[in-house]
Amino acid sequence: QVQLQESGPGLVKPSQTLSLTCTVSGGSIGSGSHHWSWIRQPAGKGLEWIGRIYTSGTTNYNPSLKSRVTLSIDTSKNQFSLKLTSVTAADTAVYYCARDCVDSVFRFDPWGQGTLVTVSS
Amino acid sequence: QSALTQPASVSGSPGQSITISCTGTSSDVGAYNYVSWYQQHPGEVPKLMIYDVNKRPSGISSRFSGSKSGNTASLTISGLQAEDEADYYCSSYTISSTWVFGGGTKVSVL
Repeated sequence: QVQLQESGPGLVKPSQTLSLTCTVSGGSIGSGSHHWSWIRQPAGKGLEWIGRIYTSGTTNYNPSLKSRVTLSIDTSKNQFSLKLTSVTAADTAVYYCARDCVDSVFRFDPWGQGTLVTVSS
Repeated sequence: QSALTQPASVSGSPGQSITISCTGTSSDVGAYNYVSWYQQHPGEVPKLMIYDVNKRPSGISSRFSGSKSGNTASLTISGLQAEDEADYYCSSYTISSTWVFGGGTKVSVL
């Protein structure tokens, strides 16, 4: 079955760019009609959707983060990535990647294990 | 887009039924039947419990059920068990091809 794994630096300095990659295994990231999402969760708080990318590269972003977020996809590596610019302490969170749509079935499943990113100098 | 509205906490005794509401707008919950629910135990990854308002993934207990009326979706847990104590989040696809989550509901088993 499809599995996802996030990777990237666990510590980012304020004002710098947070970069994370999600590697998909057990299936092709480009097969079928798949959308892939990033979601984050600050400690003790709720889930926040960041954005999604289609296998073609089409993206949709959370309006509150749109000015700072860029998603990309590399089907040759079976990976998709997140870049969040000008980070502050408020961006400290566990970041999850998840599949959010397959063949017109809309749901977040599966999820990666999550990776904690701390913004601190 | 604003977060969907969920009660902060809901509690019940073992064996009872509880319902968690999730209120959105005509641009999200009311627009499509793409409401899903996630269970999250402390320190764990969210787990899909319900999708498309009322469908259960394979392996999810029939004690969990979902429904929707207008701009409000609901998750009902019947026969409450100690293992159901967790945070629950609703999410909805929107007319802007984005997603929005609820603020989360802490379920306590008394």
